[in-house]
Amino acid sequence: SQTIHQWPATLVQPVGSPLSLECTVEGTSNPNLYWYRQAAGRGLQLLFYSVGIGQISSEVPQNLSASRPQDRQFILSSKKLLLSDSGFYLCAWRIDSTNSPLHFGNGTRLTVT
Amino acid sequence: EDKVVQSPLSLVVHEGDTVTLNCSYEVTNFRSLLWYKQEKKAPTFLFMLTSSGIEKKSGRLSSILDKKELFSILNITATQTGDSAVYLCDVPYMEYGNKLVFGAGTILRVKS
Repeated sequence: SQTIHQWPATLVQPVGSPLSLECTVEGTSNPNLYWYRQAAGRGLQLLFYSVGIGQISSEVPQNLSASRPQDRQFILSSKKLLLSDSGFYLCAWRIDSTNSPLHFGNGTRLTVT
Repeated sequence: EDKVVQSPLSLVVHEGDTVTLNCSYEVTNFRSLLWYKQEKKAPTFLFMLTSSGIEKKSGRLSSILDKKELFSILNITATQTGDSAVYLCDVPYMEYGNKLVFGAGTILRVKS
């Protein structure tokens, strides 16, 4: 069966520090991978998505970046965090098909102080 | 601009009530519409709708799509406190359906 792992679960970082959130998927090949940010229990803002290794589409201009070094690994990074980067970050995957549901990780609660 | 709009933004009901949540969309190359329930952390999948007029049902939850008027509704009958959650609507679109856009969500609170 497929599983998705996202870590860490919580993170407190000072302004200006770097960030690295990691997400891995097991049990499937060539998944579509996504990073979302959610503010205060509201809707999900799509940050990045990837349809293959090294293929990253950015949806929101900001100081975040994403990379996909391996087929089932998706990394969200920042060189210098801003206060506005605080939020709940969710990684998700789905099979490479037009109509298929997303499967989410448990999220990372990031607080930038 | 492509968009997905959910209404109401929040809702408080009493146990036993019936609720109707709405998701309207304007997207390019519509593929499907999906509903998710988020209680604490990871959203969980509820329904996927691709065809108009065909109701999807799971227990007390049901959903239907109207591709002519570009919206979907999610109904919950005989609500329970366990139905309290954020309900999210998601519309994959663009050429290969890889771009997924969520609505702002509806926060449902069911009081006992």
